[in-house]
This record gives sequence, structure tokens and C-alpha cells, in this order.
Amino acid sequence: GNSVTQMEGPVTLSEEAFLTINCTYTATGYPSLFWYVQYPGEGLQLLLKATKADDKGSNKGFEATYRKETTSFHLEKGSVQVSDSAVYFCALPGNTPLVFGKGTRLSVIA
Amino acid sequence: NAGVMQNPRHLVRRRGQEARLRCSPMKGHSHVYWYRQLPEEGLKFMVYLQKENIIDESGMPKERFSAEFPKEGPSILRIQQVVRGDSAAYFCASSLLDSAQGGSGNTIYFGEGSWLTVV
Repeated sequence: GNSVTQMEGPVTLSEEAFLTINCTYTATGYPSLFWYVQYPGEGLQLLLKATKADDKGSNKGFEATYRKETTSFHLEKGSVQVSDSAVYFCALPGNTPLVFGKGTRLSVIA
Repeated sequence: NAGVMQNPRHLVRRRGQEARLRCSPMKGHSHVYWYRQLPEEGLKFMVYLQKENIIDESGMPKERFSAEFPKEGPSILRIQQVVRGDSAAYFCASSLLDSAQGGSGNTIYFGEGSWLTVV
């Protein structure tokens, strides 16, 4: 079945540093791909998505490009802020409605 | 347009009691999903429901757990005779269409979760 693999965390960065969180997927066909973010003590919020190959999803300064040649959907942000500290989940539809990666905890320090 | 509403946000139960978690999907959404998040772990799918039907319960423990989504009212996740291992965050989500379909209607939106603590 479909699956995702995310880089292990935690990731600790200084404010204004560049962020990359890797996500690779295994899938039948070309499903939509998603990044969700979970702030401390809260639920998951959809951060961005891409519905087909070469699509770029973007939101709040975050970007991810659906790359079928490398089966990847890496999350990037050029300059992180303390408020970006959260857990980030890569996801795609699978045998269950959404299959999630294990999550990558990001801590941004001032 | 209100999002997915879950209550209670926090629930404390003693071992052996029942926990009942409620979820109202986004307006117009007829597909509801329940996920469980154990401390420091990812999200695990539990059950997928449409109005009055359970579509996929492959992630539900075979005993003590049940879910429903009646014609009227919220979806309910019920845990009977809770044990300490049931302590977790339970997230409800909804979508306009079946999440396996293409297009924007399959996006799943999550509630803020119900945190269950069993003491």
C-alpha cells in the first residue's frame, strides 16, 4: 500500500535559517500529497498540498514540490521563525483515508 | 464556516469507566474519520464513517471501541472500560468527498482533538 517516509527529528534551527524536511513516498498512481502541521497542544492543520506531479504547494512561506521522478515532496522554508516550532507531517491517501509519516518536530530558537 | 468541532477537549477517566468523544464535521461534509495519536507518535487511523455507515474500521481495536455517525447529530467515538493505554489524543477529521477521489474535495480537515487521560 501507499506509504510515506519522513526524516527523523527533532530538528533545531536558529531563527531565519533555511528549513528542509524530507519526505519520500511509495504509491500506486499519482495521489495528492499533503503537509500538515501540529502546533503544541493543538490539532493538525493543513499546511499545503499538491494534487499532481510538478505541482508546487505553498502557504505561510512554506513550499513543497511534487516530484514523481524522485517520489519526493520535501518541505522547505527560506527563513524560519520561532512561531514555526511545531511537528510537521507528510501524508497521502492510502489503504486508509490518509497515511501519515511519523512526524518531524521542529524547534526554532531565537 | 466553522471547522471540525470536537468535544470535550480534555477528558479524565478512571480505569474501567467509559469515554465518549464527539465530533461535528465541517458544514456540508459527510465523511468522518477518527485518528489516534499516542504520546510522541504519529497518527494512526481508526475508523472511517459516512452517515449511518461504517466504511472502514480496520484501525479500530476489536474490543471496547466503537464509533457511530448517526443521521442526525455528531459522530461519537466510544471507549468502554478504559485502560491506561487508551490515554492519547483522539482526532476527528472530515472531508467533502471520499478522500481517495481526486481534486480539492478530498482534502481532510482535522479538529483540535480530544485529549483522554486515564488515571
